[in-house]
Amino acid sequence: KQEVTQIPAALSVPEGENLVLNCSFTDSAIYNLQWFRQDPGKGLTSLLLIQSSQREQTSGRLNASLDKSSGRSTLYIAASQPGDSATYLCAVLIQGAQKLVFGQGTRLTINP
Amino acid sequence: GAVVSQHPSWVICKSGTSVKIECRSLDFQATTMFWYRQFPKQSLMLMATSNEGSKATYEQGVEKDKFLINHASLTLSTLTVTSAHPEDSSFYICSAGSIDRVADTQYFGPGTRLTVL
Repeated sequence: KQEVTQIPAALSVPEGENLVLNCSFTDSAIYNLQWFRQDPGKGLTSLLLIQSSQREQTSGRLNASLDKSSGRSTLYIAASQPGDSATYLCAVLIQGAQKLVFGQGTRLTINP
Repeated sequence: GAVVSQHPSWVICKSGTSVKIECRSLDFQATTMFWYRQFPKQSLMLMATSNEGSKATYEQGVEKDKFLINHASLTLSTLTVTSAHPEDSSFYICSAGSIDRVADTQYFGPGTRLTVL
């Protein structure tokens, strides 16, 4: 059974810092991995999607890497801003099943 | 593009009543729709997968007679919580996938907050 773990559960940093969020998964048979942002009481916003054959994806200040063999992904946020405060979820798409398995999320707070 | 809507955005109901939540793909045809549940400060858990015109596939531990899913058209899926109880209070999120869009990508709705008194 695929399990996704995110560390840390919560993170608070001052504005302007670069930071890394971690995601690990137990079964490397994934189709892709996706990072989402969720604001309180809201739905999901897709940030980055990495196919299993890719190593990383970048969008603006965000960079996500994927090491499928070790079951790890990181989301790097450069020059953090208060508007980046949200919960960040990673999810893997299980091969052949079209199922997304989510991690518990990292609650990020950027202090002005 | 790839917009998914949910209605209502929030609902409060009395224990024992049934509540219907709609999920619509507004600008594409969704061959598959997914329903997730999210309890406070927890992650999303897949409840069921539905394909247009066929019965939904429920995840282990999800009562199919309590959570009725209908995917009657390529743009609409509904989740009905029957005889709702306070423990059913949660945030319900749907997502939709389409072979015409980026393969194996799910597009998420904004969620519905259900509170059962």
